[in-house]
Amino acid sequence: RKEVEQDPGPFNVPEGATVAFNCTYSNSASQSFFWYRQDCRKEPKLLMSVYSSGNEDGRFTAQLNRASQYISLLIRDSKLSDSATYLCVVNMRDSSYKLIFGSGTRLLVRP
Amino acid sequence: GAVVSQHPSRVICKSGTSVKIECRSLDFQATTMFWYRQFPKQSLMLMATSNEGSKATYEQGVEKDKFLINHASLTLSTLTVTSAHPEDSSFYICSVEGVPGRTEAFFGQGTRLTVV
Repeated sequence: RKEVEQDPGPFNVPEGATVAFNCTYSNSASQSFFWYRQDCRKEPKLLMSVYSSGNEDGRFTAQLNRASQYISLLIRDSKLSDSATYLCVVNMRDSSYKLIFGSGTRLLVRP
Repeated sequence: GAVVSQHPSRVICKSGTSVKIECRSLDFQATTMFWYRQFPKQSLMLMATSNEGSKATYEQGVEKDKFLINHASLTLSTLTVTSAHPEDSSFYICSVEGVPGRTEAFFGQGTRLTVV
């Protein structure tokens, strides 16, 4: 089983749609959680950190369920510019820092 | 926040030659930097942890003699792909973390290596 699993997609949605991405992680010792966005042939860029209480940043809402080891990202009112690959990232924060990346979920927003 | 600069962004080299990639932390003294590799349509995979002033720590399956890492200062780590082969063609990205007050990692712009 992969340490961080995501649905690879692609999710093909019209502008204005709401889309949700899911992610599960296998190690209960994981301590920090993030969603990164990666455009084609570019480096990943932080979209938002994910907190246990859930957090929202404009059209983006992230949720964390530690009991189920599940992370989600909700995008409302999708824009064309949201088209990218969304990476679920987990930080072990053990004796050696290590980020574990999901394989990414690709989103295509069409006009 | 930290700004990480990676150079070159793109390089094409012949089989058998070596390529050096630089990763600079511009606003933050990084005792540790990380090197990742990403093949098309795959996730980022950690190759090694670069430690300032000491040997790098390599992930399982990554050849330390092939991927030479030097972290001679708090702001610069280099990755040298030695005797490159076409299967080494990939997207290489460095990152730093541990910026005070920030839990996320900051990435360089990445280097797309093509070995012909």
